[in-house]
Amino acid sequence: GQQLNQSPQSMFIQEGEDVSMNCTSSSIFNTWLWYKQDPGEGPVLLIALYKAGELTSNGRLTAQFGITRKDSFLNISASIPSDVGIYFCAGQLHSGGSNYKLTFGKGTLLTVNP
Amino acid sequence: DGGITQSPKYLFRKEGQNVTLSCEQNLNHDAMYWYRQDPGQGLRLIYYSQIVNDFQKGDIAEGYSVSREKKESFPLTVTSAQKNPTAFYLCASSMVYNLGAEAFFGQGTRLTVV
Repeated sequence: GQQLNQSPQSMFIQEGEDVSMNCTSSSIFNTWLWYKQDPGEGPVLLIALYKAGELTSNGRLTAQFGITRKDSFLNISASIPSDVGIYFCAGQLHSGGSNYKLTFGKGTLLTVNP
Repeated sequence: DGGITQSPKYLFRKEGQNVTLSCEQNLNHDAMYWYRQDPGQGLRLIYYSQIVNDFQKGDIAEGYSVSREKKESFPLTVTSAQKNPTAFYLCASSMVYNLGAEAFFGQGTRLTVV
C-alpha cells in the first residue's frame, strides 16, 4: 500500500523561529492535507492542496503540493507557544474503490520554548 | 453547531468484552471513517463507509465491526477478537462528491482495556 514518510519526527524550537516539515510518498497523490492535533483531541485541518505546484497560505502557515505529486511541505513562520502539537500530513489518491481513503504520515511533534 | 461527536471520551472495559464507540455527524457528509491512533504512530484506517448500508474494510479491520444504518451515524464495535484494543479512536467524515475530500475529525475516544 501507499506509505508516507514524514520528517522530522520531532522538533524543539524557540518562540519566534520558523519551522519546516515535509512528507514524501512512494506514489503520487491527488490531494495533500495538513492537520494539527492537540493532546487528547482530534486532528484539525489546517491546509488542503489540490493541484501539483500549488502553494497555499493560512495565516502563518504555508504549504506546497510538490510538482512530482509525491511530496508536500508545511512551513510555520514566527512560531508561538500555541503552535505546540503534532502535525500530520495526509495524502489522497482518487482511484478505484478507495476514492476517499486518506493515508497519514506518522506526524511531527512540535515543541515551542517560550 | 455542525460537527462530529464521539462518545464517550474515555472508556474502560474488561478484557474479553465487546465495546461500542459512538460517532454522530450533522454535517450531511456521505463518507465516514474510523481510525486508530497509537503513541508515536500515524492514523491507521479501520473501516470506512461512503454511503448508508455500505462499508469497507480499511488497513486494520480485524477484530472490529461497524454498521451504517443512518447517514449520521457510524458506530464502531471493538470485539474480543481484537488482540490489542487499548488505543485512541478517531471518527471522521467527508463529502463524497468532492473528490478532494477534506476529512473532519471528532474529538476521539480513548479506550483502555484492563
